[in-house]
Parts: sequence; structure tokens; C-alpha cells
Amino acid sequence: GAVVSQHPSWVICKSGTSVKIECRSLDFQATTMFWYRQFPKQSLMLMATSNEGSKATYEQGVEKDKFLINHASLTLSTLTVTSAHPEDSSFYICSAERTGYSYEQYFGPGTRLTVT
Amino acid sequence: SQQGEEDPQALSIQEGENATMNCSYKTSINNLQWYRQNSGRGLVHLILIRSNEREKHSGRLRVTLDTSKKSSSLLITASRAADTASYFCATEQTSGSRLTFGEGTQLTVNP
Repeated sequence: GAVVSQHPSWVICKSGTSVKIECRSLDFQATTMFWYRQFPKQSLMLMATSNEGSKATYEQGVEKDKFLINHASLTLSTLTVTSAHPEDSSFYICSAERTGYSYEQYFGPGTRLTVT
Repeated sequence: SQQGEEDPQALSIQEGENATMNCSYKTSINNLQWYRQNSGRGLVHLILIRSNEREKHSGRLRVTLDTSKKSSSLLITASRAADTASYFCATEQTSGSRLTFGEGTQLTVNP
């Protein structure tokens, strides 16, 4: 149990286009989901906290108009990278916090984004 | 901001040896967690140790926590080539459930 999926697992897009990444909790409800970015050989950096039914909370330095987050249901959060640039190329990982179990976060397998 | 620092950044050992990784943090925490990440893959949760615990075991893993020194260690005993991965510590501060990750240790276990 407690599986989190991400789709797509990898995507290549051209500069200026937008890309949507989905994060789903498959067998549990997640009021809160987190989006991280990871550059090669580096650690995970929290981008934003996504709460179902409300606006996401963005970390300092993360542009909310560029990284649009929607958490419309208890099992789905989406991250849309708008007007993508090559420097947005990265590994994006989501995690989902099982509702009522604040210690339990489950990570998705990640999405590799390459912007050409 | 990253509050966790891990050392060593990279560790290369022979199969069968033990691997020890350390993590330090700066603020009060609710718990500390260790994760494993294979290259280009997602994170796998290994073990969680609460702030009122000092040591925890899970299979070949042993985690210690010293809140007075704000540090933790992860020991992998009798390492295997399949243990080759990056290992991250992550802290959950008392104020909420967001995780702050350390910079990670790249472990290579040579067969």
C-alpha cells in the first residue's frame, strides 16, 4: 500500500512550451502533497506545499506564476511548468502525506524534464 | 534552505564491509528520516527515528540520533553491491510536516 505515481516519468519539451506533471496517491488520500526539484548529483529542494482545495505555499525563490500547482482532489496534485526554459530541466519529485498520519510521506518515482 | 549536512559526500567500500554515513542539522526536530535513492529514481524510505529515540534498527540498518549534538548516523552492515545508491537524511521540524533534506552521501559498494 501507500503508492504514489507520477506521470509522465520523463518528458522532453521545447523552450516556451508548458508541461504538466501529475502526482497521484493510488491507495490513500493525501490532503497535502509536496513538490521537490533535484538537479544532478544534488539533494532535493522543496518547491512548494500543495494542499487540497486551497492555494499552494511556495518556498522562497520559487516563482508561483511559473510553477503552477493545482490540488483539486485528495489523490491528485499537478505541477505545470509554464514557458519552460532549458534551466528548468531537472528531476521533479512529489510526495504525498497520508491524511491523518503526519509522519508518513510517500514519494513518487520522479519525472525527468528536459527542455530543449 | 538545506539544514542537513551529510558526510562523507561520497563513500566507496568493498562488499561485506560496513558503511557509516553521518548527518547534522541545525534546528529542533520532530523526527529524522533516512532515504535511499538509486540513480535517476525516486526515494525509498528506510527508517524514521523520533526525537525521543536514540537508536533504531531495521534489518542491516542501524540509525542513531544525538539531539544534543544535532546529529544522526546511518550504519549499513555487511554491505552488498545492491546497496550502491545515494542516501539522504531528512528532518521534520517541530513546526510541521515538511521535510528538509541533507545533501546526501553517494555510496558505492564494489563487488
